[in-house]
Amino acid sequence: IAGITQAPTSQILAAGRRMTLRCTQDMRHNAMYWYRQDLGLGLRLIHYSNTAGTTGKGEVPDGYSVSRANTDDFPLTLASAVPSQTSVYFCASSDSSSREFTEQFFGPGTRLTVL
Amino acid sequence: GQNIDQPTEMTATEGAIVQINCTYQTSGFNGLFWYQQHAGEAPTFLSYNVLDGLEEKGRFSSFLSRSKGYSYLLLKELQMKDSASYLCAALDSNYQLIWGAGTKLIIKP
Repeated sequence: IAGITQAPTSQILAAGRRMTLRCTQDMRHNAMYWYRQDLGLGLRLIHYSNTAGTTGKGEVPDGYSVSRANTDDFPLTLASAVPSQTSVYFCASSDSSSREFTEQFFGPGTRLTVL
Repeated sequence: GQNIDQPTEMTATEGAIVQINCTYQTSGFNGLFWYQQHAGEAPTFLSYNVLDGLEEKGRFSSFLSRSKGYSYLLLKELQMKDSASYLCAALDSNYQLIWGAGTKLIIKP
């Protein structure tokens, strides 16, 4: 693994189904993030984790949950998908130990369609 | 509220110079980022400014004025591969990034 990987690349999901988007990084970054990107809108933060074992809510957390059992993995779960969750989902990570420079590295994204 | 404004779309000619502006309003400020995003791909980091002034990195430069809540990204000697969206993002007092919607840059031969 080099950087951040996400799975699946794309998915079509029936409304009401449960879905987990996977994210793994091998850079030993403390912080990880989940964003959604919709046409005409900026990236919006769903949830974040500053370190393993802790998580926090971002701008649009409703309908999503996350866990951070270890440094490398940060899965995002949609408990009961709805069509408004159709979006491109990006996972990102950063070295939060450096407060002066917190460049985020992004995974390739997951394109999710909820019908 | 927190807000980032940047133009939706710009068009420029190959070999020319283009300036993409960004204004921001955030609760606290810890720096301004520019990212490039090609269609269907992930954003990639271009620049970071935390102090006033110009940061130059090859063909790309980024400027920040903290007192005006203003930044710009300057791209010189434009190439066709520079066709992409350019995302402006400000780091707020909680060290969370607030993102603009992005500026789609179209390069014409």
